[in-house]
Order: sequence, then structure tokens, then C-alpha cells
Amino acid sequence: AQSVTQLDSHVSVSEGTPVLLRCNYSSSYSPSLFWYVQHPNKGLQLLLKYTSAATLVKGINGFEAEFKKSETSFHLTKPSAHMSDAAEYFCVVSDQSGGYNKLIFGAGTRLAVHP
Amino acid sequence: NAGVTQTPKFRVLKTGQSMTLLCAQDMNHEYMYWYRQDPGMGLRLIHYSVGEGTTAKGEVPDGYNVSRLKKQNFLLGLESAAPSQTSVYFCASSYWGGTYEQYFGPGTRLTVT
Repeated sequence: AQSVTQLDSHVSVSEGTPVLLRCNYSSSYSPSLFWYVQHPNKGLQLLLKYTSAATLVKGINGFEAEFKKSETSFHLTKPSAHMSDAAEYFCVVSDQSGGYNKLIFGAGTRLAVHP
Repeated sequence: NAGVTQTPKFRVLKTGQSMTLLCAQDMNHEYMYWYRQDPGMGLRLIHYSVGEGTTAKGEVPDGYNVSRLKKQNFLLGLESAAPSQTSVYFCASSYWGGTYEQYFGPGTRLTVT
């Protein structure tokens, strides 16, 4: 079965410093992986997705993630945090074993950005 | 193009009451989903639909029913609400399965007292 583990429930950074949100996955086959962002009292928005093409995936708002099969990781990074990046971030794996696009969500990482 | 909309945004129910949450999408998507979000648990799939007139159970279906009479609408019903159903409910849709992106609505915050 597919699963994802987000290694940090809370991350706090200063504005202008790098962001690293860590995610490990478990999959019995080559997975599709996503990062979604949820701003306070909003729905979820797709940041980026990996679907077995390039291992370094670029997303919106300067975020990127690198798929590392040997480490079963899909960490999300951004070179310089902005105040507007404060939100909750979900690492997600797609499970297609049931014949449909079932998304398995991690527990989430809450990112705080301080001035 | 409104995307995915949900009605209502907030609701308070007493134990045993019933209600229906409405999800609508204007993107002509085939797939629609209902999730619940609880603190520290991410989102969990309640029910989903792969097309008009079809529905199927997800990860946590007990206590909920759904219907998809029209392609653009997906209804989630609670027949007899329980405090354990206090949660934030999200609807999503996607064009197809596989790696297609799911588009989410803004959520409905439900409290059952």
C-alpha cells in the first residue's frame, strides 16, 4: 500500500531564508507524488507534481521538489521564504491500485515565516 | 469560471440531526470526491464518483451517503449526525483519474454538538 510520512509537523523560518519540508513515501511501484498547499481557511491548491519525468520538479511561487528513489524522498524546497508562504503543506501520493486516482495525504507540515 | 464551490460554508448541528452538503463544479470533470480533514490527520477520502450516476466508498464512508444525479453536482449526506463527524469537509474534482490534478473547494466547517 502507498503511504507518505511528513517528518516535521511544524517548521519555522525567517523571511528570506531557505525552506525545507521533508517527505518520505512508501510505494510498491513508481509513484506519482504531489505537494499541495492550504492557506488559512482556504481549500487546497496544487504546488507541483512528479509523474516519472524529470526528477527535479518546479512548481508555483518558487517552490521545487526532488524525487529521490534511492531515499524514497520527495522533499519540498524554496530558496528564500516569503511571509505569504505561511500555510500548511501536504505531501501526497497517488494510489491507482483501485482503478481510480486515490490520493493518500500526509499529516501536513505547518510552515511559519517570521519577519 | 467558479471552479469548485461548496454550500454551506459553516453549519452547526445537534446530535441526530441530518443535513446535506452540496458540491458543484463547472469544469466538466468526470471524477468528484468528498474528504474530511481532521487535525494531524491530513485529508481522508469519504466517498467518490467516477461519473454521473456512480458512487463508491472511500476510506471512511460510515455515517455518510452520497449521490451524483448530475455530472456537475456531488451531494454528501449525514442522516444522523454524531459528534465524531465534527470536521472540515472538502469536495474535489478531477478531469480523469491517474495523475490528473484534483481541484478543491473552499471547505465546509461542520460542528456537531
